[in-house]
Amino acid sequence: DVKVTQSSRYLVKRTGEKVFLECVQDMDHENMFWYRQDPGLGLRLIYFSYDVKMKEKGDIPEGYSVSREKKERFSLILESASTNQTSMYLCASSLRQGGIETQYFGPGTRLLVL
Amino acid sequence: AQTVTQSQPEMSVQEAETVTLSCTYDTSESDYYLFWYKQPPSRQMILVIRQEAYKQQNATENRFSVNFQKAAKSFSLKISDSQLGDAAMYFCAYRINNDMRFGAGTRLTVKP
Repeated sequence: DVKVTQSSRYLVKRTGEKVFLECVQDMDHENMFWYRQDPGLGLRLIYFSYDVKMKEKGDIPEGYSVSREKKERFSLILESASTNQTSMYLCASSLRQGGIETQYFGPGTRLLVL
Repeated sequence: AQTVTQSQPEMSVQEAETVTLSCTYDTSESDYYLFWYKQPPSRQMILVIRQEAYKQQNATENRFSVNFQKAAKSFSLKISDSQLGDAAMYFCAYRINNDMRFGAGTRLTVKP
């Protein structure tokens, strides 16, 4: 089974703090993704990566950065957390099987910024 | 902009009955993939079913099946013989090239 893990299930931070969200997958997937999930908005893509040290902006990259130093690990960084970044953050990795690229999700990190 | 619309924020079904969740999408592409994901309360999001747009035959996975209408850009999910464990948020999504888009989700409640 594919396993995608995230370093924290719940996190409380203060405005202005630097926040690191870690994601690790154990299936040698090339592609990794960071989403935020908000009620009524579904999932919105923040950043994604198709290879080590490679990153691409998604739909809402402002206020975030990412790091992918190793294939299995994809980190999301909030340089200076703000209250509007309170959200559920989901990491995913993907595998192409039979021509279809399917994403597998981590359990999510619920971040509260005070 | 390419979008995915789930017009039912909430749905309810009686245990053992059938329910259909709606999804429409907007794209000018002809080659893409469609997905339904399930997110149980406080649990991990998992893939329920997927469909290649070039296939006319509707995908089926046990009690889950889709009604894919390419011309209408519709991709509904039918859950048969609903079980309590089916209660979750359901997200419709499509993938076109490197672009993955999700709908806002439908919360399904299953009544015993």
